[in-house]
Amino acid sequence: AQKVTQAQTEISVVEKEDVTLDCVYETRDTTYYLFWYKQPPSGELVFLIRRNSFDEQNEISGRYSWNFQKSTSSFNFTITASQVVDSAVYFCALSELSGTSYGKLTFGQGTILTVHP
Amino acid sequence: DTGVSQNPRHKITKRGQNVTFRCDPISEHNRLYWYRQTLGQGPEFLTYFQNEAQLEKSRLLSDRFSAERPKGSFSTLEIQRTEQGDSAMYLCASSFGGPVQEPQYFGPGTRLTVL
Repeated sequence: AQKVTQAQTEISVVEKEDVTLDCVYETRDTTYYLFWYKQPPSGELVFLIRRNSFDEQNEISGRYSWNFQKSTSSFNFTITASQVVDSAVYFCALSELSGTSYGKLTFGQGTILTVHP
Repeated sequence: DTGVSQNPRHKITKRGQNVTFRCDPISEHNRLYWYRQTLGQGPEFLTYFQNEAQLEKSRLLSDRFSAERPKGSFSTLEIQRTEQGDSAMYLCASSFGGPVQEPQYFGPGTRLTVL
């Protein structure tokens, strides 16, 4: 069965610091997708990025970057020069593509990020 | 607004009562998902639909829970004989269905409190 682990329950940083959120996953499938979502205090989950298991290229989008390493089953998320508006709960999620599991997301426990001014 | 919408946003009910929630997905999305999120946890999958067909149900979904998606448009999630353990945020998400796993876009959720 699939599993996602976000070992960091809470992280607190001061504005402009860089911060990395860790995500480790378990799956038996060779084809799967990984996602990051942001849940701000308003509560609505916001999609940030999708990565498939065949694409190990790192990705950068503005202040956000993602490091996917299949060898260690990790998909870490880095925010550069953090801002107060980055304060939120961040979830890593896994989707397998086998049988009837197609599309179902398995989420980690989430990491609460607090950015202080 | 073309995002996923959910109604009501909040529901307070007494134990033993029935409740029904509604989700309107993004109009061009054929897949619809329900998740439940309790405080301090990540969302947990409940069920999903491809058009009007319910393709998978989680073991979390007891017999008291039922979901429908008539005509492949909006969906309803009903909980019968609510229990205090049902208190949670119920999230709906939608996506395109196809050979590639498209992102799921979430609604604002319905927060259920069972007294």
